[in-house]
Amino acid sequence: GAGVSQTPSNKVTEKGKYVELRCDPISGHTALYWYRQSLGQGPEFLIYFQGTGAADDSGLPNDRFFAVRPEGSVSTLKIQRTERGDSAVYLCASSTQAGGLNEQFFGPGTRLTVL
Amino acid sequence: GDSVTQMEGPVTLSEEAFLTINCTYTATGYPSLFWYVQYPGEGLQLLLKATKADDKGSNKGFEATYRKETTSFHLEKGSVQVSDSAVYFCALGGGSNYKLTFGKGTLLTVNP
Repeated sequence: GAGVSQTPSNKVTEKGKYVELRCDPISGHTALYWYRQSLGQGPEFLIYFQGTGAADDSGLPNDRFFAVRPEGSVSTLKIQRTERGDSAVYLCASSTQAGGLNEQFFGPGTRLTVL
Repeated sequence: GDSVTQMEGPVTLSEEAFLTINCTYTATGYPSLFWYVQYPGEGLQLLLKATKADDKGSNKGFEATYRKETTSFHLEKGSVQVSDSAVYFCALGGGSNYKLTFGKGTLLTVNP
């Protein structure tokens, strides 16, 4: 079956611009996660959705970052006034339910480059 | 807070060599432990996991044992193949902790 998909695969933008990154989770998965992977680092947690609501957004670095999941399926990560330090690979994952015994399935990521 | 420390790479081996990638962790409670693998051009995939002390996770010839006394979860494989070339990430999570905390990753290159 289809895995987690993310679009675009690559995004190049200029400092100060607004970007949206999209995640399509595996059908039926209620939990959705966003992580950010900087060069040479492991993924770092940003935000977690259970259904439509953001159950934990403690990993979002500042208020320029926002994410939504209005219908409990597709999610969009939004970054305002992008900065060069936002350059990273943004990963989305989904699982049947939240919790460590439920495997998180990762998408291929969106590589964001802020010039 | 929770953290994972894994061995610095890159690691370069010849085919059929023995592999060990060290991983230690700091966590409150009783986390589950994971190894994820990222093949070139692909997304992260779960390689194996262990959910409690002394559990051994295994998959594709890789093994790791959850050692609570040493807070470790070292990845091993007896005979690596060229196709094992990838970046390997140790991670912890589990129970009510839905977040995964990852190490920095170890790049493994296996030469024929």
